Amino acid sequence: KQEVTQIPAALSVPEGENLVLNCSFTDSAIYNLQWFRQDPGKGLTSLLLIQSSQREQTSGRLNASLDKSSGRSTLYIAASQPGDSATYLCASVEYGNKLVFGAGTILRVKS
Amino acid sequence: DAMVIQNPRYQVTQFGKPVTLSCSQTLNHNVMYWYQQKSSQAPKLLFHYYDKDFNNEADTPDNFQSRRPNTSFCFLDIRSPGLGDAAMYLCATSRGGLAGGNGNEQFFGPGTRLTVL
Repeated sequence: KQEVTQIPAALSVPEGENLVLNCSFTDSAIYNLQWFRQDPGKGLTSLLLIQSSQREQTSGRLNASLDKSSGRSTLYIAASQPGDSATYLCASVEYGNKLVFGAGTILRVKS
Repeated sequence: DAMVIQNPRYQVTQFGKPVTLSCSQTLNHNVMYWYQQKSSQAPKLLFHYYDKDFNNEADTPDNFQSRRPNTSFCFLDIRSPGLGDAAMYLCATSRGGLAGGNGNEQFFGPGTRLTVL
């Protein structure tokens, strides 16, 4: 059974700092990996989808990498802003149209 | 804008009183999903429809049912809500399957927060 772990559970940084969020998964036989953002009391917003054949994806200040062999993905946020404050979730894509989510990293960017 | 819409955003029901949550989409996606997310926990997949094919997760309680009358709409029925069913319920869609080299992104609605009194 796939287990997805995110470290750290919470992170507080000053505005402008570059930061890395980590995601690990126990079964490397995943199809794809997706990163989401969730604001308090809201739904999930898709940030990046990394296909199984890709090693990274970039969107603006966000860069996500995937290393299936080691069971790891990282989300890099450059020049963090207070508006980046949210919970960030990673999810592995499994057989049967199933996403297995990590518990998330709560990010707070202080101005 | 194409989107996933959930109604109502907040739902209060009484213990044991049936409740229905609604999801609609203007994306014309083939797949619709229902997740349960309890406070400070990861979303948990309850079931999904691929077109008209219903796929139930093995650990989804029988108390939870779903209907998809057409491409655009999907409903979550909770037959006899218990206090433990209080949660955020998230609807999501994808154009096709999530797996494989051409795997599709999943798009989420804003969620319905269910309170059980």
